[in-house]
Amino acid sequence: AQKVTQAQTEISVVEKEDVTLDCVYETRDTTYYLFWYKQPPSGELVFLIRRNSFDEQNEISGRYSWNFQKSTSSFNFTITASQVVDSAVYFCALSEANNAGNMLTFGGGTRLMVKP
Amino acid sequence: AAGVIQSPRHLIKEKRETATLKCYPIPRHDTVYWYQQGPGQDPQFLISFYEKMQSDKGSIPDRFSAQQFSDYHSELNMSSLELGDSALYFCASSLYWDRSDTEAFFGQGTRLTVV
Repeated sequence: AQKVTQAQTEISVVEKEDVTLDCVYETRDTTYYLFWYKQPPSGELVFLIRRNSFDEQNEISGRYSWNFQKSTSSFNFTITASQVVDSAVYFCALSEANNAGNMLTFGGGTRLMVKP
Repeated sequence: AAGVIQSPRHLIKEKRETATLKCYPIPRHDTVYWYQQGPGQDPQFLISFYEKMQSDKGSIPDRFSAQQFSDYHSELNMSSLELGDSALYFCASSLYWDRSDTEAFFGQGTRLTVV
């Protein structure tokens, strides 16, 4: 069975601080996909990144970076120089390749509050 | 670019009533997924369809049913509504998973309130 754990339920930082959101996953599949989504107060789910299990390269996109480590089953997300607009709930999610389609299992989410 | 369209955006129903939520996927997407997100909860997978056939089923109550039509839009029908059904319902669409470039795009959600 697949499971995603986001141990940090809530994080509060001051603008311009760096912040890392943790994500630990469990799966029996050797092929799987990891995602991060952002859910701002308006409620929509915004896709941030998709990573497959064979690609352990870290990725940077502007102020966002992701650290995928299969050895520790973690897929952590770092926001550099945080801004107030980064305030949202962030979800890590997992999909196993043996699922027929893109069925996602979400973590419980981490609420990030960036204060001015 | 066209996104996933859900309607209505907000819906208020009384207990024991019926609700129908609609989802219009991104053009050319052949797979639709429904998720339920309760207050303060993470989204939970309900059901998915590929080419108008049910492909996966999650924790969808028997009171709920869904289908995908020939134009690929999908409807989630919810009967005998209960207070606990109050949630944000997301629809997502994608090209079928065995395409390497696929990912799921979510609609803005339908907020259902049962009173």
